[in-house]
Amino acid sequence: DSGVTQTPKHLITATGQRVTLRCSPRSGDLSVYWYQQSLDQGLQFLIQYYNGEERAKGNILERFSAQQFPDLHSELNLSSLELGDSALYFCASSRSGSSSYEQYFGPGTRLTVT
Amino acid sequence: SQQGEEDPQALSIQEGENATMNCSYKTSINNLQWYRQNSGRGLVHLILIRSNEREKHSGRLRVTLDTSKKSSSLLITASRAADTASYFCATDVGNEKLTFGTGTRLTIIP
Repeated sequence: DSGVTQTPKHLITATGQRVTLRCSPRSGDLSVYWYQQSLDQGLQFLIQYYNGEERAKGNILERFSAQQFPDLHSELNLSSLELGDSALYFCASSRSGSSSYEQYFGPGTRLTVT
Repeated sequence: SQQGEEDPQALSIQEGENATMNCSYKTSINNLQWYRQNSGRGLVHLILIRSNEREKHSGRLRVTLDTSKKSSSLLITASRAADTASYFCATDVGNEKLTFGTGTRLTIIP
């Protein structure tokens, strides 16, 4: 158990809908990272927050947004969902804002768009 | 294209044998990390090696880094069935994000 929690574990929704994925980092970790893992794209970095502020951005679509709250939990919002958004979404946390330290991954949310 | 490319894509060995997988990358790095992922689950950090290090050990794991060849290898000795998983290298090039490779799928045959 990494200490990172993600809810829900599974999500099935229809195209065009909007969903919110939630992540609670390990106690004491200030950074939260979001990743998308699909068969064709592999593991892709989406976005990072550090202590409430956006720190780094990766291949995140404009239809996706995220935020980190004062209690350090984070939410990833996916809107106008398309079939291709079906994937595993992971969050990870680390103590530092730097990518030079290990990241602890949550169990993931499996999103299926039908 | 991916910054890190693992080789081979898939590897099957008998329990007790050693497993070696390689990672090649394109640009200079600050550090390289190896992660393991059991099927459909979250990634688990295995080892981090910094650009000024050449070799690192952790239990049955040995990681080497050759910055001149832009490559790293992960050796798992005396493999066990529980080592069956996908293994990913991830590179940090100093832009605050890790870039993951495509992974090596390791199967240990009992």
